[in-house]
Amino acid sequence: QQPVQSPQAVILREGEDAVINCSSSKALYSVHWYRQKHGEAPVFLMILLKGGEQKGHDKISASFNEKKQQSSLYLTASQLSYSGTYFCGTDSGAGSYQLTFGKGTKLSVIP
Amino acid sequence: ETGVTQTPRHLVMGMTNKKSLKCEQHLGHNAMYWYKQSAKKPLELMFVYSLEERVENNSVPSRFSPECPNSSHLFLHLHTLQPEDSALYLCASSQDLGSIFTEAFFGQGTRLTVV
Repeated sequence: QQPVQSPQAVILREGEDAVINCSSSKALYSVHWYRQKHGEAPVFLMILLKGGEQKGHDKISASFNEKKQQSSLYLTASQLSYSGTYFCGTDSGAGSYQLTFGKGTKLSVIP
Repeated sequence: ETGVTQTPRHLVMGMTNKKSLKCEQHLGHNAMYWYKQSAKKPLELMFVYSLEERVENNSVPSRFSPECPNSSHLFLHLHTLQPEDSALYLCASSQDLGSIFTEAFFGQGTRLTVV
């Protein structure tokens, strides 16, 4: 069953912050985040493993709450280059190689 | 440039045609994947290959036929497609199977239109 992402779309002005959520009805083992710009390949952002870890690089970070079966992606002080569609992919078991992706959240950053 | 190259970038084909999509990676990865991306739908995994062996076929219709002749190349052979098969077909590779530690590198995709 695919994870649910929210919001479906968001528009930000440069410098504003955003949070994208990814929720699953099943217990999660890992959550993967990707960004896809229009007409380009999806690009890997980060993987979070169960254990409640947080990760981040530059101004993009994420958390994984396994009790809530949810992950959140945080974008702070957004830049124009952050525009794109963000996907979360989840897997429910150790050794699984099959990710189930959400429908994506379209982020538009305007000047 | 992600290291995964797909050709062609765009393809228009009739329902009675036969065509093939090609994917090439020179990252030294052992696992390769085909995904389908349709408008307003999530990425759907179609096929998974590990060391040239197919390990997953997610109930994909037989009009899609994958081939992995070596660890660097992956093909998707298409025949007698339907208009609903129109979508962006993405190839990806990863160092190994086992998603928990492995990031996937995607190609830019082939935009397929079936008329």
